[in-house]
Amino acid sequence: DSGVTQTPKHLITATGQRVTLRCSPRSGDLSVYWYQQSLDQGLQFLIQYYNGEERAKGNILERFSAQQFPDLHSELNLSSLELGDSALYFCASSASKRDRGVYEQYFGPGTRLTVT
Amino acid sequence: ELKVEQNPLFLSMQEGKNYTIYCNYSTTSDRLYWYRQDPGKSLESLFVLLSNGAVKQEGRLMASLDTKARLSTLHITAAVHDLSATYFCAVVSGGSNYKLTFGKGTLLTVNP
Repeated sequence: DSGVTQTPKHLITATGQRVTLRCSPRSGDLSVYWYQQSLDQGLQFLIQYYNGEERAKGNILERFSAQQFPDLHSELNLSSLELGDSALYFCASSASKRDRGVYEQYFGPGTRLTVT
Repeated sequence: ELKVEQNPLFLSMQEGKNYTIYCNYSTTSDRLYWYRQDPGKSLESLFVLLSNGAVKQEGRLMASLDTKARLSTLHITAAVHDLSATYFCAVVSGGSNYKLTFGKGTLLTVNP
């Protein structure tokens, strides 16, 4: 158990809908990362937040947005969903200070999104 | 743009045999990670390699890093069925963030 929690575990929804994925980082971790894993694109970085502020953006669609709240949990919002958005969405967190000398990222269990 | 290439993408091994997975990356990076993923599960951190010449071992797995060649290897010794999984290498792009760029993964199947 990495200490990172994600809800829900599974989500099935229809095209055109909007969903919110939630992530709680490990206790004390200030950085949260979102990744998408799909068969055709592999594992892709979407976005990073550090202590409530956006730090880096990857291949995140305009239909997707995220935020990190004062209690450090993060939400990934996916709107106008398309079939191709079906994927496993992972959240990871890392320490603000060097953790055993490295900024290791700890991954949550993921949310499997199925768009029908 | 940082690119990470793994090979092979599929590896079928017999128990007891040795093999190596290769991970090449395209630009300078100061850290490389190896992860394991079981089907439908999350990513489990195996190794973090920080410097040129770094070598780390855990059980039947050994990882090394050559930053000059931009190459990391994951060596499997005397494979057992429990090692069957997908293995990913990931590289940090550098700068002030630590986003990981992943390879496509190597699906390892160890047959009795």
